Amino acid sequence: AQKVTQAQTEISVVEKEDVTLDCVYETRDTTYYLFWYKQPPSGELVFLIRRNSFDEQNEISGRYSWNFQKSTSSFNFTITASQVVDSAVYFCALSERNTGNQFYFGTGTSLTVIP
Amino acid sequence: EAGVAQSPRYKIIEKRQSVAFWCNPISGHATLYWYQQILGQGPKLLIQFQNNGVVDDSQLPKDRFSAERLKGVDSTLKIQPAKLEDSAVYLCASSPRLAGGTGELFFGEGSRLTVL
Repeated sequence: AQKVTQAQTEISVVEKEDVTLDCVYETRDTTYYLFWYKQPPSGELVFLIRRNSFDEQNEISGRYSWNFQKSTSSFNFTITASQVVDSAVYFCALSERNTGNQFYFGTGTSLTVIP
Repeated sequence: EAGVAQSPRYKIIEKRQSVAFWCNPISGHATLYWYQQILGQGPKLLIQFQNNGVVDDSQLPKDRFSAERLKGVDSTLKIQPAKLEDSAVYLCASSPRLAGGTGELFFGEGSRLTVL
């Protein structure tokens, strides 16, 4: 079973539009961590955010914001006023304490921001 | 601070040949990971080291893949013999946390393998 589902394969938006990337996860562990990574064309995965299962407070960092809802097992990522530099593949990942914090990645969402 | 270094960046080989990838993690990072990322998919863990010991290699195809981390620093991943389905990007990542910790992973740029 897929532990992390990113249903959106590709998204295209026009610059300055807002865009939300969806992430749904599955776990039986009570202690777990959720991550978002950005993979630009250069290939290196860049860490964006980590949330633990005990902290459902939403977070905002500049144009980025994250909505963590345990009730729906979702950890969605919103980019406000998108820019061309935001074009990349974005991965959501889950790490469970009971599995030695092995990371499970979703299949990624490819975001294209059109100027 | 220097990031995770990987080499080579690109490699093209024919099936049944062998190939080796090298990774130098961020200095002081105890945990090192090798991931395989097939085009259009998310990274899949192949092997996880803590210092020079293997924590998890359950998804490593041991009939053809091998990995080692000598002295708990650099690591090499070898494929012998390669198959067409091994075409992928091989990502190395490191973490300052021990296995069982909660830290994020720091990734290298990856080694892209094409098997013809």
